[in-house]
Amino acid sequence: QVQLVQSGAEVKKPGASVKVSCKASGYIFTTYGITWVRQAPGQGLEWMGWISAENGNINYAQKLQGRFTMTTDTSTTTAYMELRSLRSDDTAVYYCARAPGRAPNWFDPWGQGTLVTVSS
Amino acid sequence: QSALTQPRSVSGSPGQSVTISCTGTSSDVGGYNYVSWYQQHPGKAPKLMIYDVNKRPSGVPDRFSGSKSGNTASLSISGLQAEDEADYYCCSYAGIYTFVLFGGGTKLTVL
Repeated sequence: QVQLVQSGAEVKKPGASVKVSCKASGYIFTTYGITWVRQAPGQGLEWMGWISAENGNINYAQKLQGRFTMTTDTSTTTAYMELRSLRSDDTAVYYCARAPGRAPNWFDPWGQGTLVTVSS
Repeated sequence: QSALTQPRSVSGSPGQSVTISCTGTSSDVGGYNYVSWYQQHPGKAPKLMIYDVNKRPSGVPDRFSGSKSGNTASLSISGLQAEDEADYYCCSYAGIYTFVLFGGGTKLTVL
């Protein structure tokens, strides 16, 4: 079955960077994309970006441009996100989800989520 | 660009029907047939319920349906069941600068 498994929880200090992995299985990785979505405690979903493992296209949310990077490793069918210059309001659960390879039109399934806590 | 607008909460009794609205603009909901809906139970990851406005992934009960009129999309749930109680989020493609917008979420309570 299609499955996305994310790396474990992280605690970081303000100004640090965090890298979260998302291991995909059960489908042909290079025919889809991966999107990243975060959810602050008690808040709604915030779209962060999408990367196509099919053609390499990348879309970033304007709010995060410059400190957010997404990559994929097709040899290990793993996607990564890195967020730099962390602030307290980056504290959230970060989700990866499979998306179409041509555009971020839907997201299914989702990973289990990775809690990133930013605290001094 | 602002998030899509959803009611904060809706409720219904078992067996009844409810509809959750999602209002955007001609630059997102009204401009593309790429509206999707997600169900999220507390402490769990979201689950895709509807995509491309009105398509259901395999495994999603046909009690769930989607539609769109102008700049407003809707998720309808008929024959409410206790397990439908959850948060629901709409999502729309929003063009080549904003790309994706989520709604603020709607809490569905089954009375």
